[in-house]
Amino acid sequence: SAVISQKPSRDICQRGTSLTIQCQVDSQVTMMFWYRQQPGQSLTLIATANQGSEATYESGFVIDKFPISRPNLTFSTLTVSNMSPEDSSIYLCSAAHSANYGYTFGSGTRLTVV
Amino acid sequence: QKEVEQDPGPLSVPEGAIVSLNCTYSNSAFQYFMWYRQYSRKGPELLMYTYSSGNKEDGRFTAQVDKSSKYISLFIRDSQPSDSATYLCAMTLNNNDMRFGAGTRLTVKP
Repeated sequence: SAVISQKPSRDICQRGTSLTIQCQVDSQVTMMFWYRQQPGQSLTLIATANQGSEATYESGFVIDKFPISRPNLTFSTLTVSNMSPEDSSIYLCSAAHSANYGYTFGSGTRLTVV
Repeated sequence: QKEVEQDPGPLSVPEGAIVSLNCTYSNSAFQYFMWYRQYSRKGPELLMYTYSSGNKEDGRFTAQVDKSSKYISLFIRDSQPSDSATYLCAMTLNNNDMRFGAGTRLTVKP
């Protein structure tokens, strides 16, 4: 299965600023996904990122707040814009396995907004 | 009602015990069922996946799916302290729209 390198692993940011999270996959994958995970809670899908098209956002998430880039089949970024303390969370990228069902995840970005 | 229900625990067992983790779901269209293991400060890793109903065994782990009851289980035999983690169930119709349970935090005590 694919290996995903995600960075930064953690950051503390001032409110009103933006943070870009990067994910690099060691093989080409068609679909990548961005999730948010509150401590002790399940994963909430933010958006699906396909190469060559606009990301598809889930209800409650908008492109102006969480712009996503997917320039090729091995890389994607998620930006958390104009941050507030409510954006403090763990952000995870993932990629769909090509050989079977299931996803591979990056190690996550632990974001704290102060 | 949540689409996927999973008891968050926490669950604490002695080393060597058999662990049973469970999820229920409401969408009968789900076809693929997965279990992920997530260690602290790490991303989830795929542990097992099953298509439709039935059992699947991999070493000390057994996954069961009962589509008629909309109920899936993960059994861990001879549990080890290294099994201490959060276990998330997940399911999907076509791998494009994965739905996750809340995760059960498991501690295996030596």
